[in-house]
Amino acid sequence: NAGVTQTPKFQVLKTGQSMTLQCAQDMNHNSMYWYRQDPGMGLRLIYYSASEGTTDKGEVPNGYNVSRLNKREFSLRLESAAPSQTSVYFCASSEGKYTEAFFGQGTRLTVV
Amino acid sequence: EDQVTQSPEALRLQEGESSSLNCSYTVSGLRGLFWYRQDPGKGPEFLFTLYSAGEEKEKERLKATLTKKESFLHITAPKPEDSATYLCAVRENTGFQKLVFGTGTRLLVSP
Repeated sequence: NAGVTQTPKFQVLKTGQSMTLQCAQDMNHNSMYWYRQDPGMGLRLIYYSASEGTTDKGEVPNGYNVSRLNKREFSLRLESAAPSQTSVYFCASSEGKYTEAFFGQGTRLTVV
Repeated sequence: EDQVTQSPEALRLQEGESSSLNCSYTVSGLRGLFWYRQDPGKGPEFLFTLYSAGEEKEKERLKATLTKKESFLHITAPKPEDSATYLCAVRENTGFQKLVFGTGTRLLVSP
C-alpha cells in the first residue's frame, strides 16, 4: 500500500523556470493538500482540494497553481520559479474534512 | 486567527528519562487535534487524533492527552529511536476545517 506518492523527490530549478510537482494517493481519499515546510515556519498550506473538481487557496498561494486531475491526483505548478520558493513541498490526503491527513515523502526544491 | 504553539522547541533526554511535550491552541471550536512524528528528510507520520477534552490515546511509549486549551504528548522511558520532530496540528472550525500546524518539538534521546 503506497499511500501518498510524490514525484520528483529532488529538483533544482533556475529562476524563471517552470515545473509541476506530481502527487497521487491510493487510499480513495476525498481531500488533498499541498504544504510547504521551511525552517522555523512549520508547515504552511498552499492549496487544497476538498473534493474532486474543487480547489481553494490556502495560506500561501501566490506563485503557485494546482490541478485536481481526478480523485487520485493533485498537482502543484510553479509557473516562474523564484528563490523564495526554495522549500520542501509535501502533498497530503484525508478521507474527509474532520479526519487525519496522510503525507507523502516530500519534494526538496531548490531555486537558484 | 487560529494558532498552535508547541513547547519546548527542542528537548534532549537520556534513554529512559520520561517527559512531556506541550501543544497549546486557540481555535473557535476544535474539530480535532492531531499529533505527527517527522524524521529528517521524511514526511510527517500520523500518530494520534483527539477530538474532545479528556480524551487520551496511547501507542507504545507515547500517550496523548487533550484539555480545552492544550494537548500533551507524554513519552515514557524513551529510546533513541524515539528521536524525531513531533508536530501538533488542529482543524479549524471555519470553512473547510483546514489543518493548522505548530512548528514542532525536536526530540533527541541519547543512549
